[in-house]
Amino acid sequence: AQKVTQAQTEISVVEKEDVTLDCVYETRDTTYYLFWYKQPPSGELVFLIRRNSFDEQNEISGRYSWNFQKSTSSFNFTITASQVVDSAVYFCALLLEGTNAGKSTFGDGTTLTVKP
Amino acid sequence: DTGVSQNPRHKITKRGQNVTFRCDPISEHNRLYWYRQTLGQGPEFLTYFQNEAQLEKSRLLSDRFSAERPKGSFSTLEIQRTEQGDSAMYLCASSRDSNTGELFFGEGSRLTVL
Repeated sequence: AQKVTQAQTEISVVEKEDVTLDCVYETRDTTYYLFWYKQPPSGELVFLIRRNSFDEQNEISGRYSWNFQKSTSSFNFTITASQVVDSAVYFCALLLEGTNAGKSTFGDGTTLTVKP
Repeated sequence: DTGVSQNPRHKITKRGQNVTFRCDPISEHNRLYWYRQTLGQGPEFLTYFQNEAQLEKSRLLSDRFSAERPKGSFSTLEIQRTEQGDSAMYLCASSRDSNTGELFFGEGSRLTVL
């Protein structure tokens, strides 16, 4: 069975600090997809990134960057120069190939609070 | 069409009553999903539709739960004889016809059973 662990339940930083959200996953499958979603106070989860298991290249998008390391089964997310609007719950998710997209396994989320 | 729409946003009901939630997905999306999310946890998959066909149901979906998508557009999730343990956020998401596509979520319907 697959599992996603987000060990950090809550993180609090001051604006402009960098922050890294950890995600560790477990699966015996060799082909899978990893996702990060953001859930602001309004409730809807917003897709941030998808990475497939064969692509270990790190990705940067503005202030966001993702570090995927298969050797440690981790897919960490870094926000550089955090802003108050980054305050949200962030979820990491794992989807096995061949499984319908809705059956992603989600972690329990990390609540990020960015203080002004 | 700006996204997935869910209503009502909040529902408070007494134990034993029936409740129904509605989800309007993004219009060109064939796939629609329902999830349950409790405090401090990620979404848990309940059921999945491709067009009007309900293709998969989780074991979490007890006999008291039923979901429909009659014309392949909006969907309803009904909970009969509600119990306090049903209190949760019920999320709807939609996606294009792809198993690797990103999910587009609604803002959820929060159910409180007294």
